[in-house]
Amino acid sequence: SFELTQPPSVSVSPGQTARITCSGDALPKQYVSWYHQKPGQAPVLVIYKDTERPSGIPERFSGSNSGTTVTLTITGVQAEDEADYYCQSADSFGTYSVFGSGTKVTVL
Amino acid sequence: QVQLVQSGAEVKESGASVKVSCKASGYTFTSYGVSWVRQAPGQGLEWMGWISADSGNTNYAQKFQGRVTMTTDTPTSTAYMDLRSLRSDDTAVYFCARSIVMGGSHYFDPWGQGTLVTVSS
Repeated sequence: SFELTQPPSVSVSPGQTARITCSGDALPKQYVSWYHQKPGQAPVLVIYKDTERPSGIPERFSGSNSGTTVTLTITGVQAEDEADYYCQSADSFGTYSVFGSGTKVTVL
Repeated sequence: QVQLVQSGAEVKESGASVKVSCKASGYTFTSYGVSWVRQAPGQGLEWMGWISADSGNTNYAQKFQGRVTMTTDTPTSTAYMDLRSLRSDDTAVYFCARSIVMGGSHYFDPWGQGTLVTVSS
């Protein structure tokens, strides 16, 4: 089965940079999206097509792709960015979508 | 604005079925698909499957094949997810999301508010 691997947690001080990685064998063939989710709320799209930012998402959120690993970067972290973050992609054939296991971002 | 509104919480007994609805507004319903994703208490997101609102074609995660049916009703712009033979580990919040094609995969935006399904044994 196809899997996406994320670190369980990332801690960062306000104003610093948080980087969350997502790795998987099919990533060179498929785009990745990122979502954040706050407790009791639905997920919200923050990055799609590896690097594209939807309207309304702050510029401090950016995405990059280096083959089998993609990275979500939050530059100048704010307290409101504390949330769970999930990457999402598909298997090599585009048949099944899959989410990473999630990364809890804690703002110290 | 684009919005998905889901039906209310459900409590079911083990072995029963549940049908969750997801009403779309603010966009042309048949121009996109709808995916269903669930989240067990304290756990991550799990993709269940996808339905094209145009053709009705479906694609289910292997884990749910034979137990889930996704349908749409175009006149009311509503998608449905029917899960049968419920077990206690099906207790979760079920989300629908507008599914947008990007290359060989999809991304999901926006999401419904979620529907809590509780299965009692």
